[in-house]
Amino acid sequence: GESVGLHLPTLSVQEGDNSIINCAYSNSASDYFIWYKQESGKGPQFIIDIRSNMDKRQGQRVTVLLNKTVKHLSLQIAATQPGDSAVYFCAESTGGFKTIFGAGTRLFVKA
Amino acid sequence: DTGVSQNPRHKITKRGQNVTFRCDPISEHNRLYWYRQTLGQGPEFLTYFQNEAQLEKSRLLSDRFSAERPKGSFSTLEIQRTEQGDSAMYLCASSETGGLSEAFFGQGTRLTVV
Repeated sequence: GESVGLHLPTLSVQEGDNSIINCAYSNSASDYFIWYKQESGKGPQFIIDIRSNMDKRQGQRVTVLLNKTVKHLSLQIAATQPGDSAVYFCAESTGGFKTIFGAGTRLFVKA
Repeated sequence: DTGVSQNPRHKITKRGQNVTFRCDPISEHNRLYWYRQTLGQGPEFLTYFQNEAQLEKSRLLSDRFSAERPKGSFSTLEIQRTEQGDSAMYLCASSETGGLSEAFFGQGTRLTVV
């Protein structure tokens, strides 16, 4: 859960390919997880969320997978587009407003 | 623009000075959050208001930091006797109900302490 490190992991994908961004969380009591997208100079933008009683949730072009056994969360983006280039954060919560963000992954989409 | 508005967008101050930031949430949103984000890190929770009541404060919010939301609408975050370590992006978010998943973030105020 707590953000660590100064260097963002980076993922580079070709336009049209699928992207998978991974996240490990630390608090086994967390019951709610969110993925955010942050573009340069902007605040985080909600993408998709999932509760701990689920292991998969799909949105438009995005899917979140939750593996509580190993405390792992992933975000899959289908048919990645240049506009998907951003920093992606996972976040965990134990019931509402106090959300803990991970360190983020920078996604580059090559045209 | 009906989104969350933060002012100023950028602030450069000398160490030891006081600074105040303002956040105007989306109207009708009764929940307001302040986060701090340093370069290469995810946002860190600072404090949370429901209407005018400050319900939670992070231990990151030292006694030099104070936040208010006097009328349950806009909020201010003040940092007294700024230090170089205070340099960061200060983000505000608001939501009508529920948690942070239903919240909208502002563009933030970038503070540089020299």
